[in-house]
Amino acid sequence: QQQVKQSPQSLIVQKGGISIINCAYENTAFDYFPWYQQFPGKGPALLIAIRPDVSEKKEGRFTISFNKSAKQFSLHIMDSQPGDSATYFCAALNSGGYQKVTFGTGTKLQVIP
Amino acid sequence: NAGVTQTPKFRVLKTGQSMTLLCAQDMNHEYMYWYRQDPGMGLRLIHYSVGEGTTAKGEVPDGYNVSRLKKQNFLLGLESAAPSQTSVYFCASSYQDSATNEKLFFGSGTQLSVL
Repeated sequence: QQQVKQSPQSLIVQKGGISIINCAYENTAFDYFPWYQQFPGKGPALLIAIRPDVSEKKEGRFTISFNKSAKQFSLHIMDSQPGDSATYFCAALNSGGYQKVTFGTGTKLQVIP
Repeated sequence: NAGVTQTPKFRVLKTGQSMTLLCAQDMNHEYMYWYRQDPGMGLRLIHYSVGEGTTAKGEVPDGYNVSRLKKQNFLLGLESAAPSQTSVYFCASSYQDSATNEKLFFGSGTQLSVL
């Protein structure tokens, strides 16, 4: 059962543009929503995360927008750069559990010059 | 500081062969996990451990066994490999402390092909 749905599967953005990746979840027990970034040949690494008590979190060019009522959250990458080309995974978990993170299916982002 | 180290990085097996993937972490983390990554499927949890000597099943445990004899090591075993187990395997670890325990630290992966 896919509890976190992620779209699009792939995304091509021109340098300087905005990259937007969307996720939706079903389990209302989730209370922590991280995004992981994965470069080819590497393991995923935590990029940014949000809790449902805020609607937006920004770190540099990366912003998470969160809509609790719709059970949706999204990652926005402003001024996208070729170095941002990677696969991005949204995720969700109940932080009271044993860190059993549920991942989305991933979005492969390519930023072209 | 090595973080999470996985060995081997690549392996090719024939159907029915067995093997063990080793994960080692030097961050004194309580929790450790094994995931598999398949195209279009994201990362799926195979087994996890919340401490030395303890293991539990994740989302896709069939065909795999694990052991956590030492806190720093988490082993994933395939007793009789099948082509459906062709995948990239990632080990991860995390703290137990509630203030910092949401972050997973991943190894660089093991690419396994079963012919």
